[in-house]
Amino acid sequence: EVQLVQSGAEVKKPGESLKISCKGSGYSFSDHWIAWVRQMPGKGLEWVGIIYPGDFDTRYSPSFQGQVTISGDRSISTAYLQWSSLKASDTAMYYCARHLNRDYFDYWGQGTLVTVSS
Amino acid sequence: QSALTQPASVSGSPGQSITISCTGTSSDVGSYNLVSWYQQHPGKAPKLMIYEGSKRPSGVSNRFSGSKSGNTASLTISGLQAEDEADYYCCSYAGSIVVFGGGTKLTVL
Repeated sequence: EVQLVQSGAEVKKPGESLKISCKGSGYSFSDHWIAWVRQMPGKGLEWVGIIYPGDFDTRYSPSFQGQVTISGDRSISTAYLQWSSLKASDTAMYYCARHLNRDYFDYWGQGTLVTVSS
Repeated sequence: QSALTQPASVSGSPGQSITISCTGTSSDVGSYNLVSWYQQHPGKAPKLMIYEGSKRPSGVSNRFSGSKSGNTASLTISGLQAEDEADYYCCSYAGSIVVFGGGTKLTVL
């Protein structure tokens, strides 16, 4: 069974750094793109970016380029999303999802709620 | 890249059919038959309902169907049921990126 399990909720202060994770199982993690998707409170879905664990090829939405970093560790089938300096506007639910053919998302993680508040 | 345009809300009675539209441009919906649709219940992760325009994943009811004409994709739900009440999002491949619609809240009356 394909599963994506994300790390738990985080509460941070503005300016702090953060790295959240998404661990895949039940399939060959290296062979499929993983996407990160943001959902701000009460709002819609936004594509943040993707990583191909096979060679760590990474692409970002223009809206998120330079704001976040996507990385991965094939040895533990895990993808990461990180911030070097959080802002209050980063407060959102972040989902990881398996991104097939780079056009649709067939399996989703349960989401990681990131709250940034002073 | 702007978000795809969806109606904010639609509603229907049990047993009826509804259609949710998703309008993009010649750079996304119009250029590729790679639109997907997601259902999201409150507090839950999105669920894939339609991919590549009209294909249904295993386990998704055949009451859900997708189509496209020009720059507009559509999701039709027939035989509405109470459990269909949720938010629905379209998504399109757009070359180097992927773009989502703003979402549509479906209310089953």
